Amino acid sequence: EAGVAQSPRYKIIEKRQSVAFWCNPISGHATLYWYQQILGQGPKLLIQFQNNGVVDDSQLPKDRFSAERLKGVDSTLKIQPAKLEDSAVYLCASSLGSVGYEQYFGPGTRLTVT
Amino acid sequence: GQQVMQIPQYQHVQEGEDFTTYCNSSTTLSNIQWYKQRPGGHPVFLIQLVKSGEVKKQKRLTFQFGEAKKNSSLHITATQTTDVGTYFCAALGSGGYQKVTFGTGTKLQVIP
Repeated sequence: EAGVAQSPRYKIIEKRQSVAFWCNPISGHATLYWYQQILGQGPKLLIQFQNNGVVDDSQLPKDRFSAERLKGVDSTLKIQPAKLEDSAVYLCASSLGSVGYEQYFGPGTRLTVT
Repeated sequence: GQQVMQIPQYQHVQEGEDFTTYCNSSTTLSNIQWYKQRPGGHPVFLIQLVKSGEVKKQKRLTFQFGEAKKNSSLHITATQTTDVGTYFCAALGSGGYQKVTFGTGTKLQVIP
């Protein structure tokens, strides 16, 4: 079975620029997560979707971050404008459901903001 | 909000020694998951614990959920170099919505 796909794998931008990340979850997985992982820390949940609805976005900096999951499958995460502190790995994960299911992670996108 | 701490932050062990990491939550949990992240890789699911006092084993790995469902531990017997990585617990809160919160992680280095 194909895993979670993410692109791009790496991105370098200057502060105040915008950037978008794409995620394709495992087929049939209703729940999709976006995490931010700063070097040396655990993944921090940014947003969780159940199908195409948002379950939790309490830690998403909504003044600069946005995410959508059209048709309940693929998802995009956008940052506009980027700040230096946004430098991190952005991980996408999916699971069959939102309650007590294991999460399958994609390879992540490493973002460097200069 | 829910806080999940892991200790120790780092652990260096000689190959063959045992290793334990502890996960502590500020609130009662519904269940807890453990993930392993190899250097440069992404988190990979290891196991889920649901019941109070539950103990599960996977070969050399033993996972335990506390009686009060506020803490958990992962114990590795006779570490090998393949065990190198960072171990995270992921706590799922109790209540209507099981918000997932990853712990701070324990980075394990095994010296051959």
